[in-house]
Amino acid sequence: DIQMTQSPSTLSASVGDRVTITCRASQSISGWLAWYQQKPGKAPKLLVYKATTLESGVPSRFSGSASGTEFTLTISSLQPDDFAIFYCQQYHDYPYTFGQGTKLEIK
Amino acid sequence: QLQLQESGPGLVKPSETLSLTCTVSGGSISSSTYYWGWIRQPPGKGLEWIGNIYYSGSTYYNPSLKSRVTISIGTSKNQFSLKLTSVTAADTAVYYCARSGYTYGYLNNWGQGALVTVPS
Repeated sequence: DIQMTQSPSTLSASVGDRVTITCRASQSISGWLAWYQQKPGKAPKLLVYKATTLESGVPSRFSGSASGTEFTLTISSLQPDDFAIFYCQQYHDYPYTFGQGTKLEIK
Repeated sequence: QLQLQESGPGLVKPSETLSLTCTVSGGSISSSTYYWGWIRQPPGKGLEWIGNIYYSGSTYYNPSLKSRVTISIGTSKNQFSLKLTSVTAADTAVYYCARSGYTYGYLNNWGQGALVTVPS
């Protein structure tokens, strides 16, 4: 299985901050990576796919980038609604696998 | 607008079979464009992909669960189902159904999730 490792596990930040979450794949996944946001008691919501493509309706303050097997999700200016848990997912090979999650909390 | 809704027992006894159904509305499960899948999340933990199914009945399962999992499709009712046999407390989780594409594996539509508890 392809292992997905996210960092950090927890991130404390303030409204207006720029934050970056990293996801590293254990092997090449050719950019087949998605990012999700999950709020308490809710299903995950797709934010980014193909590493850099923003899902329709997702605010432009979210962006994704890729370099080899390292992927990043950046929020340019944190809004109160952004505090949640973020997951990456590879869909290059079965079984699809997720990172362990990054909890973004208010400082 | 596509909607997915999980349904099934919220409590399953150890060693028995967990059975869940996902009802799809606002779109056809018989479309050749999509895969239909299951993902689970133990309380307070991360996401685990269980498997998916194509309208033709073709399936992919997570090897970690493959010996206990069956995903089936019922096109007449626009539903697909999950069966997990010989459950233990470790199978306690919120189970989500979701849709991905035939040519892409990201999950762009999710159900709200169903909590299934297996007492220890």
